Amino acid sequence: GAVVSQHPSRVICKSGTSVKIECRSLDFQATTMFWYRQFPKKSLMLMATSNEGSKATYEQGVEKDKFLINHASLTLSTLTVTSAHPEDSSFYICSAREVVAGLSSYNEQFFGPGTRLTVL
Amino acid sequence: GQQVMQIPQYQHVQEGEDFTTYCNSSTTLSNIQWYKQRPGGHPVFLIQLVKSGEVKKQKRLTFQFGEAKKNSSLHITATQTTDVGTYFCAAAGGTSYGKLTFGQGTILTVHP
Repeated sequence: GAVVSQHPSRVICKSGTSVKIECRSLDFQATTMFWYRQFPKKSLMLMATSNEGSKATYEQGVEKDKFLINHASLTLSTLTVTSAHPEDSSFYICSAREVVAGLSSYNEQFFGPGTRLTVL
Repeated sequence: GQQVMQIPQYQHVQEGEDFTTYCNSSTTLSNIQWYKQRPGGHPVFLIQLVKSGEVKKQKRLTFQFGEAKKNSSLHITATQTTDVGTYFCAAAGGTSYGKLTFGQGTILTVHP
């Protein structure tokens, strides 16, 4: 199956700093990528949909200015957590959807390995 | 927004016992997907169900989509220790974005 990479896998930062997380589709093009947040033993919460060449679509309750998303190319989306605070500590996972020609209803998503953010 | 309820939250079984997790939605779903997340890992796609009443099998795993397309289940026969992990159902929004709404997940523990 398709491969999605995420970098870094783990980051520890001081409160008030910004952290950038990269999500790359390695062997396919992804016009749409998704960013999720997951707390321990909890479900994945969709934060935003990242669209190549246009603005991201944020879910209700997610601060746009706090979580900056840039989808600069068909294989790269970045999430920047600005002025991070301890409550932002979490597991952030991206996913990408491979568009299969002729199968518009096929929505399999490929997930990156995740980034564990710890804000001190 | 769309909500998907998944039960049970936890399930402990002895190796060899069967396991079932259920998902329910108050609205009709265009399709539903199932993912498995191993401890410390990321979700991995298992299957997608699209048709009303659809049943699909993958070795010891059986997936069902209800007739009304509002509920789904995953059944594992004769669990093995390799089945350990969290199983999520996810409802697809049916839009071109492919947005998914995840259920709460069922954490499966298999005792040898």
